[in-house]
Amino acid sequence: EPEVTQTPSHQVTQMGQEVILRCVPISNHLYFYWYRQILGQKVEFLVSFYNNEISEKSEIFDDQFSVERPDGSNFTLKIRSTKLEDSAMYFCASRSGSPSATNEKLFFGSGTQLSVL
Amino acid sequence: GEDVEQSLFLSVREGDSSVINCTYTDSSSTYLYWYKQEPGAGLQLLTYIFSNMDMKQDQRLTVLLNKKDKHLSLRIADTQTGDSAIYFCAESFGIYQKVTFGTGTKLQVIP
Repeated sequence: EPEVTQTPSHQVTQMGQEVILRCVPISNHLYFYWYRQILGQKVEFLVSFYNNEISEKSEIFDDQFSVERPDGSNFTLKIRSTKLEDSAMYFCASRSGSPSATNEKLFFGSGTQLSVL
Repeated sequence: GEDVEQSLFLSVREGDSSVINCTYTDSSSTYLYWYKQEPGAGLQLLTYIFSNMDMKQDQRLTVLLNKKDKHLSLRIADTQTGDSAIYFCAESFGIYQKVTFGTGTKLQVIP
């Protein structure tokens, strides 16, 4: 089965530093998402991306966050100046966008655990 | 806004059936999902149901949807120790099919 790939699996950074989390969605997919899960809490929606622009974002996704699809295969999440409370598992997901019902499920990556010290 | 609720914990004996319940608030949900998360791992899609269906069966998994009561359940038959994990109910809706997750139910299978 095709996979969404995320790198690195674990990233440690100092508070105030910039981090970029990388994702390679499934190749023919059109919709891309970032979610995060703070330890012990529910998985929260951050942002969705379609047609090279943000289609929806949550309150969490403030000016410190940005997303980019720099080269047609990667999908990145940048946090400009990390805070302690940004420590979480970040999941990337993609979806084909086909009108067919069987193609609507989200495929998630295995996540990047971000630890802000 | 949309909200998805689940009980936090379920303990069953190996070989028994497990039933994990979920309630949601958004009546315009398109799809409802069950995801499994093992410790330190990502989200694995187990099964999903389109909102105009009542039931879906996939091997040991049975999903029941009661749209009137906005209630979704996942039944795992012949539960095995490998089924121990956190199970997330989720719904998607809207033009961009944003997915909202429940709080997760931790399933513990006792040998």
